Amino acid sequence: SYVLTQPPSVSVAPGKTARITCGGNNIGSKSVHWYQQKPGQAPVLVIYYDSDRPSGIPERFSGSNSGNTATLTISRVEAGDEADYYCQVWDSSSDHPGVVFGGGTKLTVL
Amino acid sequence: EVQLVESGGGLIQPGGSLRLSCAASGFTVSSNYMSWVRQAPGKGLEWVSVIYSGGSTYYADSVKGRFTISRDNSKNTLYLQMNSLRAEDTAVYYCARVVSVAGWFDPWGQGTLVTVSS
Repeated sequence: SYVLTQPPSVSVAPGKTARITCGGNNIGSKSVHWYQQKPGQAPVLVIYYDSDRPSGIPERFSGSNSGNTATLTISRVEAGDEADYYCQVWDSSSDHPGVVFGGGTKLTVL
Repeated sequence: EVQLVESGGGLIQPGGSLRLSCAASGFTVSSNYMSWVRQAPGKGLEWVSVIYSGGSTYYADSVKGRFTISRDNSKNTLYLQMNSLRAEDTAVYYCARVVSVAGWFDPWGQGTLVTVSS
């Protein structure tokens, strides 16, 4: 089955840029989606189709996907961005489709 | 407003059964792909199941043969029937709409907690 690998944690100072990676075999050939989850809340979509932003998500959130790595970039990080972030793809490599989530990355704003 | 509201969680003994419900508003469940995702305490997200608009269903290996996803079109509601529950099924269960092919989950419900314990 397909595996997505994320760093467990990323730390960044306010105003700086945070980059959260999501590794997978030839992930560049898949569509990657990203979610933000704050404690006690349901996940919220922040990026879809690798780099598109839903309405209401600040332009500071951006995404890219190439080769074996997808990246969520958060510019001018704010305290309110502190959360867990998950990447997600669909896996059709077996005889039945399924969804794969990365293990999640905890973003800490210093 | 597009919204999902789950219910049905609770404390259940190992080997027991539980049915979760997910009531949708603002869109039609039967016209969309719908999914269940769970999150064990302190852990990450784990996909559980999906039902396509055409009715096809798929499951994670960890729940295959024990869980059944279904929908009631007249009630615009998604269900997850969970049988032979195990301690490792303890989690918050979220329902979510799947948007587009190879798509994303949006919106998500608020989640309902299932605790499997004696």
